[in-house]
Amino acid sequence: EDQVTQSPEALRLQEGESSSLNCSYTVSGLRGLFWYRQDPGKGPEFLFTLYSAGEEKEKERLKATLTKKESFLHITAPKPEDSATYLCAVPGGGADGLTFGKGTHLIIQP
Amino acid sequence: DTEVTQTPKHLVMGMTNKKSLKCEQHMGHRAMYWYKQKAKKPPELMFVYSYEKLSINESVPSRFSPECPNSSLLNLHLHALQPEDSALYLCASSRGEGGNEQYFGPGTRLTVT
Repeated sequence: EDQVTQSPEALRLQEGESSSLNCSYTVSGLRGLFWYRQDPGKGPEFLFTLYSAGEEKEKERLKATLTKKESFLHITAPKPEDSATYLCAVPGGGADGLTFGKGTHLIIQP
Repeated sequence: DTEVTQTPKHLVMGMTNKKSLKCEQHMGHRAMYWYKQKAKKPPELMFVYSYEKLSINESVPSRFSPECPNSSLLNLHLHALQPEDSALYLCASSRGEGGNEQYFGPGTRLTVT
């Protein structure tokens, strides 16, 4: 069974304090790993897709990387508006719906 | 434009009511999805429509009935729901099957009384 595990569950940082979020996965034949940002009460916002080990993608203060077993979301010099829950997901099993990790709740304090 | 719209934003219904949730996308996507999200939990897949055909039903109770009238529209018909069905219902779409990124709507917050 495909599994996605995210850590830490929650992370509190000071503004400007860089850090990384982890997403480890066990899937048979990776067909993409997706990162989303979700604000309270809203739908997930697509951030990145990664398909192969060694791939990196960047957007503003965020950079996503992928190895054969895990993905990292690096946040450089975060601002309070980066506070959100960050979800990673993979296409699940024989279906094409997404299997999500439980997310990392990130709080950036001014 | 990567917008998926959902109506209504909020819905309160009794256990004997019948209501419908609506979802629309105009990105030319051929796959559409319904997810259910409980508080402080990740979204959970309910239904997948691919090329307007239901391809996956994740053992969802029959009180939830999906419908895909055309490639741009997706409905979720609700009947005889239980209070535990209260959740955020999310619609998403993607270009098609095979690992394409999914774009989510803002969700419908459903409360069953």
